[in-house]
Amino acid sequence: ELKVEQNPLFLSMQEGKNYTIYCNYSTTSDRLYWYRQDPGKSLESLFVLLSNGAVKQEGRLMASLDTKARLSTLHITAAVHDLSATYFCAVDEGRIQGAQKLVFGQGTRLTINP
Amino acid sequence: DGGITQSPKYLFRKEGQNVTLSCEQNLNHDAMYWYRQDPGQGLRLIYYSQIVNDFQKGDIAEGYSVSREKKESFPLTVTSAQKNPTAFYLCASSARQGPNQPQHFGDGTRLSIL
Repeated sequence: ELKVEQNPLFLSMQEGKNYTIYCNYSTTSDRLYWYRQDPGKSLESLFVLLSNGAVKQEGRLMASLDTKARLSTLHITAAVHDLSATYFCAVDEGRIQGAQKLVFGQGTRLTINP
Repeated sequence: DGGITQSPKYLFRKEGQNVTLSCEQNLNHDAMYWYRQDPGQGLRLIYYSQIVNDFQKGDIAEGYSVSREKKESFPLTVTSAQKNPTAFYLCASSARQGPNQPQHFGDGTRLSIL
C-alpha cells in the first residue's frame, strides 16, 4: 500500500527566507504532483514531475523528484506573503490505464509573516 | 472557459437521508474522480471513473455511490450508511492521454449533518 508523508505539517516563516517542504513515499512511482490549496478553496496544480531528476520552477517555487530515494522537495525562495497556503504532494500508484490513482500527503500549512 | 462545476456549495443532511452532490465538467476529460477532505487532512479517493458507464471504488467507498451515464457528469450520492459524512467533497477530472496532465478540481461541496 502506497503511503505519502509530508514534513513539516506546519511551517511559519518570515518573508524573504528560504525553506523546503519534503514529500516521502513508500513504493516505487515516477509520477508526482504538487498542488496548492487556499483556505476553503479548491486545489490548484503547481507542478507535474514524471521522471527521476525532474526539476520544475515557477516564480519562487521549485520542485524536484528523486525516484530512487522516493523523495520530492518543494523549495521556496525569498518567501512572500502571497505564498501562504497549504501545499500537497500526491503520488500516482500508476496501475490504472487512462486515469491517475493519486495518494495525497497530509499537506503542509505554510504561513508567511511580514 | 472550461472547468468543473460542483453544486451545491453547501449541503445539509438529515439523519437517514441520502443526498446527491453534482459534478459537471466541460473539459472533455474521460476520467473523473471524487475525493473527501476532512479538516487538516489530505484528500482520500472515494470513487473514480475512467470512461462512461464504468467506475471503480477508491479507498473509502463504503456509504457512497456514483453513476457515470454521461461523459460530462459524475454525481456522488452520500447514503444514510455513511455515518460520518461531514467533510469537504472535491470532484476532479483528467485527460485520458497521460500522466503529464494534472487533475483539475472543482470548487468543492461542504456537507454537514443537521
